[in-house]
Amino acid sequence: SQTIHQWPATLVQPVGSPLSLECTVEGTSNPNLYWYRQAAGRGLQLLFYSIGIDQISSEVPQNLSASRPQDRQFILSSKKLLLSDSGFYLCAWSPPGQGAGTEAFFGQGTRLTVV
Amino acid sequence: TQLLEQSPQFLSIQEGENLTVYCNSSSVFSSLQWYRQEPGEGPVLLVTVVTGGEVKKLKRLTFQFGDARKDSSLHITAAQPGDTGLYLCAGRRSSGSARQLTFGSGTQLTVLP
Repeated sequence: SQTIHQWPATLVQPVGSPLSLECTVEGTSNPNLYWYRQAAGRGLQLLFYSIGIDQISSEVPQNLSASRPQDRQFILSSKKLLLSDSGFYLCAWSPPGQGAGTEAFFGQGTRLTVV
Repeated sequence: TQLLEQSPQFLSIQEGENLTVYCNSSSVFSSLQWYRQEPGEGPVLLVTVVTGGEVKKLKRLTFQFGDARKDSSLHITAAQPGDTGLYLCAGRRSSGSARQLTFGSGTQLTVLP
């Protein structure tokens, strides 16, 4: 069965420090991978998605970047964090291909607080 | 602007009451999904609807996809405190990248015992 791991669960970082959040998927090959950010009690904003190694699409201009160095590894990074980067970050995967009923499976999320 | 608008944003009801949550858009979707999220966790898929006019039932939950595939509703019968959570609709557009899943703004449901 497929599993998704996201870490760390919580993170407190000072303004101006770097960021690296990691997500790995097991039990599947060539998954579509996503990074979302969620404001408290609200919907999810898509930040990045990837259909393959080194193939990253950015949805919104921001202080963040994403990389996919391996097929099942997706990393969210920042060189210098801003206060506005605080939030709940979610990694997700979906099966490859463009099937209409393809759903996304989410990690447990990372609560990032920039102080 | 939000591609998928959910209403109401917040809903607080007594145990045993019925409720309906709506998810509306001006765009056509090839499929639409409903997720439920607990605090501090990732969303969990409840159902996927694909065909316009489709109705799916999951115990006390009834999901409907609009005929034009632009909207959906979630109806809960005899709500229980365990139904409390954030309900999110998400759609895959017929045009553009089919790999993108667009989420609605969410409905925070609280069921009081």
